[in-house]
Amino acid sequence: DTGVSQNPRHKITKRGQNVTFRCDPISEHNRLYWYRQTLGQGPEFLTYFQNEAQLEKSRLLSDRFSAERPKGSFSTLEIQRTEQGDSAMYLCASSSDLVGTQYFGPGTRLLVL
Amino acid sequence: AQTVTQSQPEMSVQEAETVTLSCTYDTSESDYYLFWYKQPPSRQMILVIRQEAYKQQNATENRFSVNFQKAAKSFSLKISDSQLGDAAMYFCALTGNQFYFGTGTSLTVIP
Repeated sequence: DTGVSQNPRHKITKRGQNVTFRCDPISEHNRLYWYRQTLGQGPEFLTYFQNEAQLEKSRLLSDRFSAERPKGSFSTLEIQRTEQGDSAMYLCASSSDLVGTQYFGPGTRLLVL
Repeated sequence: AQTVTQSQPEMSVQEAETVTLSCTYDTSESDYYLFWYKQPPSRQMILVIRQEAYKQQNATENRFSVNFQKAAKSFSLKISDSQLGDAAMYFCALTGNQFYFGTGTSLTVIP
């Protein structure tokens, strides 16, 4: 296993369009996290899963955002009706338990025009 | 509310010298973990060092060590014998029931 992977790496979309990102965690990790990072800032927590259960959601995760992890393996993050303020790097991380080290993927950079 | 504060947006160090990056935090949880992550330009975030709050002994990883002062809620990172490859953004992070990162410190290593 080569680590956490994310696809696509870059996405350019027009305002109002829907986008979906995918994250494949390290295979033996049961926890998966999504973060958003804007330029010059640290990652901001969005949500996390333990297996297929979504256990925590940040207030940053508006109704336009939804995340799933249907079989406890890969996860998807969908943003509906994108806005220019959604432009950011979306990071995925996985860990083996709640307090385990989180291993990050390379991120998906979203640009909303 | 939990917060992580990195008060040094930018730091620089001469190659082979030592530099200390500061981090303070606030949490109401009794069981938590602290991390330093490194994010090189256009590359993914990687773990530098980790500290369990219940451990009094400061963590060390080769040239990287921390000064963990639990009562003061301080968690600084010391990089010894700085190398050019240490140049990156460094983020302090706090995890417990929630997950918080600081705003980062950009470290420049001067040859």
